[in-house]
Amino acid sequence: SYELTQPPSVSVSPGQTASITCSGDKLGDKYACWYQHKPGQSPLLVIYLNTKRPSGIPERFSGSNSGNTATLTISGTQAMDEADYYCQAWDRSTANVVFGGGSKLTVL
Amino acid sequence: QVTLKESGPVLVKPTETLTLTCIVSGFSLSNARMGVSWIRQPPGKALEWLAHIFSIDEKSYSTSLKSRLTISKDTSKSQVVLTMTNMDPVDTATYFCARMRLVGFESDVWGQGTTVTVSS
Repeated sequence: SYELTQPPSVSVSPGQTASITCSGDKLGDKYACWYQHKPGQSPLLVIYLNTKRPSGIPERFSGSNSGNTATLTISGTQAMDEADYYCQAWDRSTANVVFGGGSKLTVL
Repeated sequence: QVTLKESGPVLVKPTETLTLTCIVSGFSLSNARMGVSWIRQPPGKALEWLAHIFSIDEKSYSTSLKSRLTISKDTSKSQVVLTMTNMDPVDTATYFCARMRLVGFESDVWGQGTTVTVSS
């Protein structure tokens, strides 16, 4: 089965840039998206189709996807960005949606 | 405004069948570019996709859970139903339904989730 691998945790200082990676075999050939998930809330889509931001998502969120790695970048990270982040892709060979294991972003 | 709302039992016993309903509003289940997915999150664990259904009645199931899952929709009632058989304590989780877009299979609007505990 297809797997997506994320670092369990990422730390960043306020105002700095946070990068969260998501690795999978030939992931660059697929569309990746990213969700922000805060405790007690529903997940929020922050990046889709590798690089697109939904309406209402701040410009500091950006995405890229090439080779075997998709990356979520948060520029000028704010305390409110502290959350779990999940990458997701569609695996055509199994017709399965696959989530990464999630990365906990700490802003300190 | 697009909304989705899950409903179902809070507690089920081991071996029982779980039935969850997702009522959608603000979009039609007959929209060719939209579908509904079910995702769950066990306590302290990652999100796990379970199944999805699109307007053309195309259905996909998690490979690991396929034998236990059935997804269906009633367009006239704007609802999607997921059943999961032979429930086990490891199935204790918050279950979400979400609107899924066909191009990238991303879920752009999520319900609030419903928590299901499996215990005797």
